[in-house]
Amino acid sequence: SQQGEEDPQALSIQEGENATMNCSYKTSINNLQWYRQNSGRGLVHLILIRSNEREKHSGRLRVTLDTSKKSSSLLITASRAADTASYFCATASTGANSKLTFGKGITLSVRP
Amino acid sequence: KAGVTQTPRYLIKTRGQQVTLSCSPISGHRSVSWYQQTPGQGLQFLFEYFSETQRNKGNFPGRFSGRQFSNSRSEMNVSTLELGDSALYLCASSKTSVGYQETQYFGPGTRLLVL
Repeated sequence: SQQGEEDPQALSIQEGENATMNCSYKTSINNLQWYRQNSGRGLVHLILIRSNEREKHSGRLRVTLDTSKKSSSLLITASRAADTASYFCATASTGANSKLTFGKGITLSVRP
Repeated sequence: KAGVTQTPRYLIKTRGQQVTLSCSPISGHRSVSWYQQTPGQGLQFLFEYFSETQRNKGNFPGRFSGRQFSNSRSEMNVSTLELGDSALYLCASSKTSVGYQETQYFGPGTRLLVL
């Protein structure tokens, strides 16, 4: 079963605009990670935010985490056509048998 | 440093056959995880190996198995293939496996088609 649920499922924006993607989850987590996947290829790690962190930045990416609401958001600023991809949030569960559980993903299309 | 490599990249099999996929992690990485990706179910965790031991397993039937060698390379095997096994199989490596607190580096995947 999916732990992370991304919202929206698909997003289409113009180059230069900001893209905001949301992820909600159900159980306690160790950390939350965002990945990008281009057209059926392998996943590329974007950013990891730990459960005791509230916000993290990496270049044009900004991730927030609200553990009380069990939600996270990924903001891509000044989007580019090359940002067109599927984006996944993944939650790392706590405990000895921790595993990474992915949501179904958000398809982002950036129009030039 | 070379990235995660997976072989073969593409595979076509028929129902009932078995298949072995291979994953070579980044040098120095001891944890290898496997995932199945399908349009319907998304990315689903298969299993994770660390230092030749399976540390965790997802909800897949016993037809799916794996192993890890002393050089951290990993293989997964699917026996008695079914049409529903058609998917992109991804492996990911990291230095350790404690709580998935590190970046997972993914390979390009093996696309399996079962006819």
